This record gives sequence, structure tokens and C-alpha cells, in this order.
Amino acid sequence: QQPVQSPQAVILREGEDAVINCSSSKALYSVHWYRQKHGEAPVFLMILLKGGEQKGHEKISASFNEKKQQSSLYLTASQLSYSGTYFCGTEATEAAGNKLTFGGGTRVLVKP
Amino acid sequence: DAGVTQSPTHLIKTRGQQVTLRCSPISGHKSVSWYQQVLGQGPQFIFQYYEKEERGRGNFPDRFSARQFPNYSSELNVNALLLGDSALYLCASSSGPNIYTIYFGEGSWLTVV
Repeated sequence: QQPVQSPQAVILREGEDAVINCSSSKALYSVHWYRQKHGEAPVFLMILLKGGEQKGHEKISASFNEKKQQSSLYLTASQLSYSGTYFCGTEATEAAGNKLTFGGGTRVLVKP
Repeated sequence: DAGVTQSPTHLIKTRGQQVTLRCSPISGHKSVSWYQQVLGQGPQFIFQYYEKEERGRGNFPDRFSARQFPNYSSELNVNALLLGDSALYLCASSSGPNIYTIYFGEGSWLTVV
């Protein structure tokens, strides 16, 4: 069953903050976050592992609540380049074999 | 270093035809997975291969098949194409089979008419 993302869409002014949530009905081992711009491939943002380990390479933060099976992605002081569709992908077990189950996406539009 | 490369980038096929999509992973990556992304939806897992062995299969019909070659490149084959197969097919590579960062290629846009 795919995770549920909320909100479905958000419009921001440059410099504003936003939170994107990803909730699963199943126990999760990891949550992966990607951003996809129109006509392009999804770009890796962040991976959060059960136990609190967090790996990412952009100035975007995220959290993983293992008890609630929920992850949140925080867009702080948004920039125009943050526009795109954000997807969370989840893995239920450590041996899931790169089998990510993606949510339906959250469309983010950052305006000047 | 080159990222994940896929070919062709765009193609149009007729219902009932067969299609082969190709993927070259990032150098040093031994795991390749395939995803289907229908317009407006998130990617959906099709297959994963590691060291030339199938490690995972999503909920897709037997018309979909894949393989991985000794150089770790991969092909996705779809037979008896249906209109509903029209989608962006994404290839992703990672250095290992489990819990590693997964990098996506630009994808192959398939239109079935």
C-alpha cells in the first residue's frame, strides 16, 4: 500500500517555509525523499533510516517518526529552485531490495 | 562521472508491439531497478537486479521482463503493448541491493498508440 502525502499541493512565496508529510499504514525501515521537476528524473534529497540515521546532501531537513510511521520534509526559506513535485518513497524492511513504494507526490510552487 | 543513462529517451509504439528499453548504471553500481511512472503519479516499482540476479519484482504482468548483463547494464522488455503501458520508464542504480541511495536516470518516455 502506497504512503499518503499531504498536502497535495502548496504555493509559497520565496523565503517562506513549508512542511510536506508522508504517512504509511505499515511499519517502515526507511523513507527516501526525491524532488522531480517537470520532464526530468527524480533527484535524491534525503534518506532517513529506522533508528534515526539521516543522510542527505542538500540543505533540506527531514524527520522520521517511527512510532507514527510518518516522515516530514521541511523546506526552510524556500528558493525558486525548490519548485517541483516532491515524492516520498518507503521501504518496509531492510531487505526490501531497493523496492521503494512511492506516494502520490506533493506539488510545490515557489513564486518570487 | 556519468550518471544513470537510459535509451531511447522517447519512443512511440503501436498496440501489440514489443519494446526494449536500455539502462547503464553509474560506474561501480551493481544494482539496477526499474520503475514505471504514469503521468501525475509517483513511480511504481517493476524489477530490481543485483549481480545479474532478480532480487525483486513488483505487481506487473508477465509481459514485463528484464535482465542484467555482466557489465551491470540492464534491459527492460515489454511485450504485447497496451495503451495503459504509456508512461515514463525510469531506471535507477545503487551501489548495493539494500538501503542505499538510489539514483534515477532521465527515463524513457513510451507512448503506445
